Amino acid sequence: DVKVTQSSRYLVKRTGEKVFLECVQDMDHENMFWYRQDPGLGLRLIYFSYDVKMKEKGDIPEGYSVSREKKERFSLILESASTNQTSMYLCASSPMRASYEQYFGPGTRLTVT
Amino acid sequence: AQSVTQLGSHVSVSEGALVLLRCNYSSSVPPYLFWYVQYPNQGLQLLLKYTTGATLVKGINGFEAEFKKSETSFHLTKPSAHMSDAAEYFCAVSDSGGYNKLIFGAGTRLAVHP
Repeated sequence: DVKVTQSSRYLVKRTGEKVFLECVQDMDHENMFWYRQDPGLGLRLIYFSYDVKMKEKGDIPEGYSVSREKKERFSLILESASTNQTSMYLCASSPMRASYEQYFGPGTRLTVT
Repeated sequence: AQSVTQLGSHVSVSEGALVLLRCNYSSSVPPYLFWYVQYPNQGLQLLLKYTTGATLVKGINGFEAEFKKSETSFHLTKPSAHMSDAAEYFCAVSDSGGYNKLIFGAGTRLAVHP
């Protein structure tokens, strides 16, 4: 079974803090994705990566950065957390073959106060 | 550009009743289509997918969906709802930009009452 894990299920941070969200997959997938999920808006793509050290902006990259130093690990970084970044963050991975199927982690619910 | 519209942000059915969750998409290329389910405080789990071939696709937990190209629809159905089906459901379409990106709908929350 594909397993995607995220470092925290719940996280509370203060405005202005630097926040790291970690995602690890164990299936040697090339593609990894970070989404945020907000009620009524579905999933919106923040960043994705198709290889080690390669990254592309998604639809809402402002206020975020990412790092992929190893194939299995994809980190989302909030440089200076703000209250409007309070959300559920979901990580997903997908193999390079054109199946488009993505495998999701359990999510991190981040609250910025 | 591709897009997905899920009609109805909330759907409520009685236990044992038919479940119908609607999804319409737009795509300039033949799409891959997906339904995912999210139980409370969990990630998304794949219910079923359409890639090519048979247009009626069967998934887990008794769900199925039919790809109708002429209607650009991919509605999700289940003949008889169970209390455990209460969850949020997301329809997604493949993004022609590659990298296995998906475009998700806004989601439909399904409530099942006794």
